[in-house]
Amino acid sequence: GAVVSQHPSRVICKSGTSVKIECRSLDFQATTMFWYRQFPKQSLMLMATSNEGSKATYEQGVEKDKFLINHASLTLSTLTVTSAHPEDSSFYICSARVGTYTEAFFGQGTRLTVV
Amino acid sequence: AQRVTQPEKLLSVFKGAPVELKCNYSYSGSPELFWYVQYSRQRLQLLLRHISRESIKGFTADLNKGETSFHLKKPFAQEEDSAMYYCALSEGGGNKLTFGTGTQLKVEL
Repeated sequence: GAVVSQHPSRVICKSGTSVKIECRSLDFQATTMFWYRQFPKQSLMLMATSNEGSKATYEQGVEKDKFLINHASLTLSTLTVTSAHPEDSSFYICSARVGTYTEAFFGQGTRLTVV
Repeated sequence: AQRVTQPEKLLSVFKGAPVELKCNYSYSGSPELFWYVQYSRQRLQLLLRHISRESIKGFTADLNKGETSFHLKKPFAQEEDSAMYYCALSEGGGNKLTFGTGTQLKVEL
């Protein structure tokens, strides 16, 4: 089956620094990638949708300048949390899909802790 | 706006007992409904989708548009079914997914 890999799986960073999370589709070309955020015991909340080669579409309430998303190739999307603060601590999950009407495959998630 | 509601955070059943995980949705158009499962220490994966009308691992789910529900059912629970289950809705065309809050299923011996 299709595999989506996220890196790192865990990261701790100091408040005010930036951290980058990578999402790779290992054995397929992902035309669309999604970034989610999940708080403890809560649901996955979609942050943004990115299509290869174009700007990401952010959900309402998600700061574009805070969460920078790049989808430079069909196998890689990155999420950069800029000037991180403790309230940005969360579990970030990406998913990738090829075409429309197809299954989205999920990464294993990245646990971000800002201290 | 679309919304998915899973009223039970935790559902505990005995092995061999029937299972029903509830999911209700609100959406004005024609949605696609999915069930995703997350086993312990594993990533989220698709269990089934309503358009496929198939049974996966003994689970089935029927879309009831009148009741706006998509409950997940299995006649006889197995220990390996213990996991977190998320109901999700898509606007169609494989678009973005809106997830429910999830139900933790625990199958006890």
